Amino acid sequence: AQSVTQPDIHITVSEGASLELRCNYSYGATPYLFWYVQSPGQGLQLLLKYFSGDTLVQGIKGFEAEFKRSQSSFNLRKPSVHWSDAAEYFCAVGAGSSNTGKLIFGQGTTLQVKP
Amino acid sequence: NAGVTQTPKFQVLKTGQSMTLQCAQDMNHNSMYWYRQDPGMGLRLIYYSASEGTTDKGEVPNGYNVSRLNKREFSLRLESAAPSQTSVYFCASSERPGGQFFGPGTRLTVL
Repeated sequence: AQSVTQPDIHITVSEGASLELRCNYSYGATPYLFWYVQSPGQGLQLLLKYFSGDTLVQGIKGFEAEFKRSQSSFNLRKPSVHWSDAAEYFCAVGAGSSNTGKLIFGQGTTLQVKP
Repeated sequence: NAGVTQTPKFQVLKTGQSMTLQCAQDMNHNSMYWYRQDPGMGLRLIYYSASEGTTDKGEVPNGYNVSRLNKREFSLRLESAAPSQTSVYFCASSERPGGQFFGPGTRLTVL
């Protein structure tokens, strides 16, 4: 069965430090992969997505993610974190037929940014 | 362009009461979804509609019904609310498989 694992429930980084959030997926075929961000009390916003092609994808707000098929991973990175990046981050994989657009979400990683 | 809108934003119900959560999107997307979000559980799919006129169960459909009224609107109904349905409910839409766009959520408390 398809699944997504985000191993880190909570991460704290200092402002200006680099960030990497981990995501591992289980999926039989070539996956569609996504990262979303959720600020407190808000809905989810799409940061970036991977369908095919270049395995390093750029997103909004200075984020990027790298697809590594051999490791079944799609880790999210940012070179220098800003205080406004504090939020919850969700990794997701496209599930089932591509006709449905269904996604399976990881349980999320909460990012805290220290001044 | 409002994206995905949801009403109401907040609701308090008593056990056994019914209510309908409304969702509308103006992006001309074919697919729409209802999720619930609970602490530590991530997002769980309740129902989805891959196209106008079709609906299918997701991971946690029990206690809910949906209606895809037209291409724009997808409603979620709780016929007899239970405290276990206290949650934050999100509606989303997508032009498969392009990634889903989410509404701001409805915070529901069932007493």
